[in-house]
Amino acid sequence: GENVEQHPSTLSVQEGDSAVIKCTYSDSASNYFPWYKQELGKGPQLIIDIRSNVGEKKDQRIAVTLNKTAKHFSLHITETQPEDSAVYFCAAATSGTYKYIFGTGTRLKVLA
Amino acid sequence: DAGVIQSPRHEVTEMGQEVTLRCKPISGHNSLFWYRQTMMRGLELLIYFNNNVPIDDSGMPEDRFSAKMPNASFSTLKIQPSEPRDSAVYFCATLRGGGQPQHFGDGTRLSIL
Repeated sequence: GENVEQHPSTLSVQEGDSAVIKCTYSDSASNYFPWYKQELGKGPQLIIDIRSNVGEKKDQRIAVTLNKTAKHFSLHITETQPEDSAVYFCAAATSGTYKYIFGTGTRLKVLA
Repeated sequence: DAGVIQSPRHEVTEMGQEVTLRCKPISGHNSLFWYRQTMMRGLELLIYFNNNVPIDDSGMPEDRFSAKMPNASFSTLKIQPSEPRDSAVYFCATLRGGGQPQHFGDGTRLSIL
């Protein structure tokens, strides 16, 4: 069945360093890839998304890259800050279905 | 924009009791999703509605679970009878239309004793 693998499951970085989270999807029909940040006691919040007709997208310190051939997409956070500490989820979706297949999450800790 | 509103935020009840979780979608959003989140299984899609009609309920774990969306402004997820293994955080998410992102509520933390 459809599957999204996410790595690593935990990631610790020093404040100011970069963090990279990687996801791989199985369904070649997937064409929409959102990333969510979940803080303790809150629901997942969308932080950035990318569609299959684009290879990269940036929003300030956050960027996402997509390699359709390899079915990989990655989240890059630069100049990390303590408030970036949270659980991050990737997801893959196919237009017309509305269903997201979520990765298993990455717990990011930014050490001050 | 008020966001997706879920109630209650926390629910503690004894096994065998009926539990009803509620969700108010963002105005104008016509698709609604119910998820369950646990440490062991992560985020699981239980059911989703499009224009108030259930489209896919293949994630509903068993007949004890039911969901309704009587109108565009309200949905419920009911568990009857509840069991300790139903303890989890339940999220509701909504979206405006195809190609748009899902917006999540802050969830209901359910504990069945």
